[in-house]
This record gives sequence, C-alpha cells and structure tokens, in this order.
Amino acid sequence: EVLLVQSGAELRKPGESLKISCKGSGYSFTDHWIGWVRQMPGKGLEWIGMIYPGDSDTRYSPSFQGQVTISADKSISTAYLQWSSLKASDTAMYYCARHGVQQLVNWFDPWGQGTLVTVSS
Amino acid sequence: EIVMTQSPATLSVSPGERATLSCRASQSVRSNLAWYQQKPGQAPRLLIYAASTRSTGVPARFSGSGSGTEFTLTISSLQSEDFAVYYCQQYNDWPPLTFGGGTRVEIK
Repeated sequence: EVLLVQSGAELRKPGESLKISCKGSGYSFTDHWIGWVRQMPGKGLEWIGMIYPGDSDTRYSPSFQGQVTISADKSISTAYLQWSSLKASDTAMYYCARHGVQQLVNWFDPWGQGTLVTVSS
Repeated sequence: EIVMTQSPATLSVSPGERATLSCRASQSVRSNLAWYQQKPGQAPRLLIYAASTRSTGVPARFSGSGSGTEFTLTISSLQSEDFAVYYCQQYNDWPPLTFGGGTRVEIK
C-alpha cells in the first residue's frame, strides 16, 4: 500500500522557524514527484510547490516562492516543507501528496493526512 | 496561470438524486484534469483523473466528462457518504498547478 505519513501538529510563534515532514512508503520514493498543498481554515486548496526526490528538482508556485523551502532526503524517503520566519497568515493545514505516475506531474494520489500549523503569539 | 472556476459554490441535493458539478478552465487544459473529494477533517481523495477515468475503488456512480475548458463531475444517485466538498485541478500547464475553489454538496 502506498502511504504518505506526515509529522504532527505544530504551534509556533511569529518569527520562529519550522520544518514539517512527509514520509513515503510502499513505492519507489525517488520516482514520483511529491507536492505540498496549503488549506487555510475554511478555504480551498492551494499548490505550494513540488520536488522530484530522485534529483531534488524543485518547483514553486510564484505565490510561495521565497516564502518556503521544499527539500527531500531520499535515504529516508522523506520530503520536507520549511519556513525560516513564520507569520500568523501561515496558519493552515498543509498536505503532502504524491503525483500519480512515475516521473510525471499530474494528479495527486495518495495524500498525506495533513499537518496543522498554528502560528500565534 | 490557468484559473479554474467551479460552479455552483454550493449544491443542495436530496439523497438518491443526481448531482452535476461544473469546472471551467481559463484556457484549454486538454484532458489534463482531476477531481477530488474532501470530507470534513479529512485529506482530499482522488476520484477522477484524465477528465474521465475513475481512480481505483471509486464507485461507478461518479463520472467525469469534458475536455478543453469545460468539465463536469456527475454523481448519478447521491448517497449519504457523498456529501462533501469537491475540487477540480488542472495539470496541463505548470507551475503553478491550480485548483478550483470547490463545490460543497449538501443535503437538501
């Protein structure tokens, strides 16, 4: 079974840094793009960016470029999303999701369970 | 950036009735479109990819159609477990990958 398991909920103060994780299992981690998606409270889905763990090729949405960093450690089949200085507006649920076909960027399947990030003083 | 527009924002349907959800792209995405279902407190789940192909395990009452800029998700006979929010997503032109704003299907 293909699974993505994300790290637990986080509570941080504005200005703090954070790195959340997404561990893949049940498939060849290096062969599929993994994307990150934000969902702010009560709102829709927004694509943040993606990484190809095989060679660490990374792409970002223009809306998130410079605001977050996506990385991966293929030795432990884990992708990361990190912030260097959080803002209250970063409060959201963050999902990782694998792209459905090897080496191609397409639909997302499956999704991780989500990591809730709360930024509050 | 390709803008995806879903309509209606909310659809009120009685159990057993048919639901028709629309998704429009600001430019052609060919058949490179997916549909997801999201229930409260859960991650999205893939229903349809390539505009009309059901994902593994998705019931046959879900069907997708369309190409270019106009797409439809049809639920032929709504069951209680189908009341949820539905999103479309294009993957023809990126970055960025883009989602529609969602359609909430609620009980009438």
